[in-house]
Amino acid sequence: AQTVTQSQPEMSVQEAETVTLSCTYDTSESDYYLFWYKQPPSRQMILVIRQEAYKQQNATENRFSVNFQKAAKSFSLKISDSQLGDAAMYFCAYRSGYTGTASKLTFGTGTRLQVTL
Amino acid sequence: EAGVAQSPRYKIIEKRQSVAFWCNPISGHATLYWYQQILGQGPKLLIQFQNNGVVDDSQLPKDRFSAERLKGVDSTLKIQPAKLEDSAVYLCASSLEGREAFFGQGTRLTVV
Repeated sequence: AQTVTQSQPEMSVQEAETVTLSCTYDTSESDYYLFWYKQPPSRQMILVIRQEAYKQQNATENRFSVNFQKAAKSFSLKISDSQLGDAAMYFCAYRSGYTGTASKLTFGTGTRLQVTL
Repeated sequence: EAGVAQSPRYKIIEKRQSVAFWCNPISGHATLYWYQQILGQGPKLLIQFQNNGVVDDSQLPKDRFSAERLKGVDSTLKIQPAKLEDSAVYLCASSLEGREAFFGQGTRLTVV
């Protein structure tokens, strides 16, 4: 079974600074996807960024980028120029890439990000 | 495009009572998921539907939880009877097959 580990329960960053959230995972599969989701107090899970395991290039979405280290099974999220609206719970998630199997997401326990002035 | 709709947003019930949650997925999304998120944890899959068939319900406590997706669109998740440990946020999500999931705002259930 796949597992996702987020070892930072809480992180804090000053506005306009950069912060990196860590995530490690364990799997025996070679085809999979990794995601970072943001969950604000409204509770809705919002997709921040996704990474296909077969792609060597790290994904980027505006101020959000990942450092995907496949051999180390590490998938960290970097938020640049942090904004007050970035404050939320961030969840790292894994999904198998194989068709014909259940496409459920396996989540980590989350990192609460605080953004200070 | 309308998102995933869930109701109610909040529900408080006494233990041993029953409760039902409703989810309307994004139009055209064949895959529908129900996740349970206990405070301080990441969401955990309860059940996954592909159209109106069950793909994965291995984590669903079938002695008290049930779910259905009639006509492959809306879905209902029921708990009967509820226990204190069922207090959680219940998230519904939908996706096109093989694509990323979009989540609703969830239902916060408190069992007292």
